[in-house]
Amino acid sequence: DAMVIQNPRYQVTQFGKPVTLSCSQTLNHNVMYWYQQKSSQAPKLLFHYYDKDFNNEADTPDNFQSRRPNTSFCFLDIRSPGLGDAAMYLCATSKEQGAHADTQYFGPGTRLTVL
Amino acid sequence: DAKTTQPNSMESNEEEPVHLPCNHSTISGTDYIHWYRQLPSQGPEYVIHGLTSNVNNRMASLAIAEDRKSSTLILHRATLRDAAVYYCILRDRGGGSNYKLTFGKGTLLTVNP
Repeated sequence: DAMVIQNPRYQVTQFGKPVTLSCSQTLNHNVMYWYQQKSSQAPKLLFHYYDKDFNNEADTPDNFQSRRPNTSFCFLDIRSPGLGDAAMYLCATSKEQGAHADTQYFGPGTRLTVL
Repeated sequence: DAKTTQPNSMESNEEEPVHLPCNHSTISGTDYIHWYRQLPSQGPEYVIHGLTSNVNNRMASLAIAEDRKSSTLILHRATLRDAAVYYCILRDRGGGSNYKLTFGKGTLLTVNP
């Protein structure tokens, strides 16, 4: 089945130690998103790629970066994780950007713990 | 972005219908109404969307008020697998920020066996 895959499902890192989360998709969608969901809160968009074009949300901290080497893969890099970055990180895809009816497909998420 | 208001939580019994309300009194004429749900320990998943007319799909029905200031997601026969947080989200057909899903607090649905 076509899907959005996130690895690992659980990631533990140390305060200040860089960490990379990965996402892959078999849907061949143009757009890939990264959302952050803190405990008991709603998901919040960090940034997204439309093809190779990177689009950062205005309030996303500089500590968060992303790479999309090809259509299928997208990475979230946290340069110096703080305790406040502990959250579920959700990757999503959509066929197009900005289409009112374009469905976003989410992966299962990676739960990040910062010690 | 127009905002939505949903009850924090609702409870239902298995095999019974569930009506999940959403108020969006400041909705604009170009806003579509989308519903997503998030099962425990999973990413959100699309449920249904509509503009003015009521919509049905295999998962649910969406009833939209005539003035579009509110809508109701209807699960016809709730199962234990429907226990989730349900999010009502507005997406502007032509707006600059309609690429993203702006999630509110959602409604936590509990289904009792």
